[in-house]
Amino acid sequence: KQEVTQIPAALSVPEGENLVLNCSFTDSAIYNLQWFRQDPGKGLTSLLLIQSSQREQTSGRLNASLDKSSGRSTLYIAASQPGDSATYLCAGISNDYKLSFGAGTTVTVRA
Amino acid sequence: ETGVTQSPTHLIKTRGQQVTLRCSSQSGHNTVSWYQQALGQGPQFIFQYYREEENGRGNFPPRFSGLQFPNYSSELNVNALELDDSALYLCASSYEPSGRYGETQYFGPGTRLLVL
Repeated sequence: KQEVTQIPAALSVPEGENLVLNCSFTDSAIYNLQWFRQDPGKGLTSLLLIQSSQREQTSGRLNASLDKSSGRSTLYIAASQPGDSATYLCAGISNDYKLSFGAGTTVTVRA
Repeated sequence: ETGVTQSPTHLIKTRGQQVTLRCSSQSGHNTVSWYQQALGQGPQFIFQYYREEENGRGNFPPRFSGLQFPNYSSELNVNALELDDSALYLCASSYEPSGRYGETQYFGPGTRLLVL
C-alpha cells in the first residue's frame, strides 16, 4: 500500500524567494508521481507529472524531481509570487491504478 | 478548466439520508475515479470505473456505490449518511485507468457535502 507524506505542512515565504516542497513515498514501484495545486475550496489542478522512467519535469518556474530509490520527490518553485499561494499535493500511482495523495503543503507567499 | 464538471457544488443533508453526486467527464474519457477529501487532508480514493465496470475500490464501506454511463457521466451514491461523510467529493477522468503510460487524471471542482 502506497503511503505518501509531505513536509512541511505549511510554509510562509516573502515574494521572490524560491520554494522547496518535499514529498516522500513508501512504494518504490510507482508508475508515476504527480504534483497538484489546490486553491481553497476548489478542485485539483495538475502541475507536473513525472513518469517512473524520468528523473525530473519542468514547466516554467516549476521543476519537479523524482528519486525512486530513496522514495522522494521535490517540487521547486522559482521566484515565488503571491499568486503561488495555495496547497500543493503530491500523489503517486502504483499498480493498483489509484492516486495515493499526501496531506499537502499549504504555501503562503507574502507580498 | 479541465472539462470535468460536477453537480451540485454544495449540498446539505442530515444523518441517515441518501445522496447522489454527479460528474461529467471529458468526452472520450473512459475512466472515472472518485475521491473523498476531508478538511485539511489529501483526497482518499473511493473507487474507479472503466467502461462502466468497477475497476478498483479503496477502503470505503458498501454504502458508497457508483455508476458510470456511456455518455461519459457518472454518479456517486452514498446511503445512510454519517457525520464523518462531510467532505469535498472529487471526480477525475482519464482515457485509461493505468498510470503507467503517463496518463494524468483531470479533476472536477468538487461537491462539498455537509452532513448534519
